[in-house]
Amino acid sequence: NAGVTQTPKFRILKIGQSMTLQCTQDMNHNYMYWYRQDPGMGLKLIYYSVGAGITDKGEVPNGYNVSRSTTEDFPLRLELAAPSQTSVYFCASRHYANTGELFFGEGSRLTVL
Amino acid sequence: RKEVEQDPGPFNVPEGATVAFNCTYSNSASQSFFWYRQDCRKEPKLLMSVYSSGNEDGRFTAQLNRASQYISLLIRDSKLSDSATYLCVVNERGNQGGKLIFGQGTELSVKP
Repeated sequence: NAGVTQTPKFRILKIGQSMTLQCTQDMNHNYMYWYRQDPGMGLKLIYYSVGAGITDKGEVPNGYNVSRSTTEDFPLRLELAAPSQTSVYFCASRHYANTGELFFGEGSRLTVL
Repeated sequence: RKEVEQDPGPFNVPEGATVAFNCTYSNSASQSFFWYRQDCRKEPKLLMSVYSSGNEDGRFTAQLNRASQYISLLIRDSKLSDSATYLCVVNERGNQGGKLIFGQGTELSVKP
């Protein structure tokens, strides 16, 4: 099993550009999450999904969009990139709602200049 | 008020010391609780779940106080390898269930 795979690992964007961070898991997990982590800070929840076709906002959803058309994939779309979106982005998944370990991807480091 | 708040840190302790981390959460409907460990900005990894009766895993003890909305992690006999950032995680119900909120993390540095 590959677990949770995120691409790309690194990306530099110009202000106003758009891009999609890809996330795929092969564990048949229902729950998937996108977090961002700024230097010296904890993880902030952007969006999460409890299954295909169902998504919900987290703590910091502005400037982002998500979709969940399949169980495996949970892409994160950045529209009109801004310097404030410079961060490390982590995708994660887990099988059960109230218990169960979160499995993380290795992170995607995004810089907006 | 932040949804999940931790001691600001950093904590600098000598090897063999006992160190305690505290975490408070604001949503009284929160359902489950975890401690994660993060090394050098890598992906976080589950350290332990936190149960209502308190639980222990070797040198690590986690406690939950639902009335005070408070979680703690105690590390006994600190090792150099315990140096990391410790993240408190709370499972809020959310609209769809399963909303996982992280605290800002507390950095621990164990010195020889």
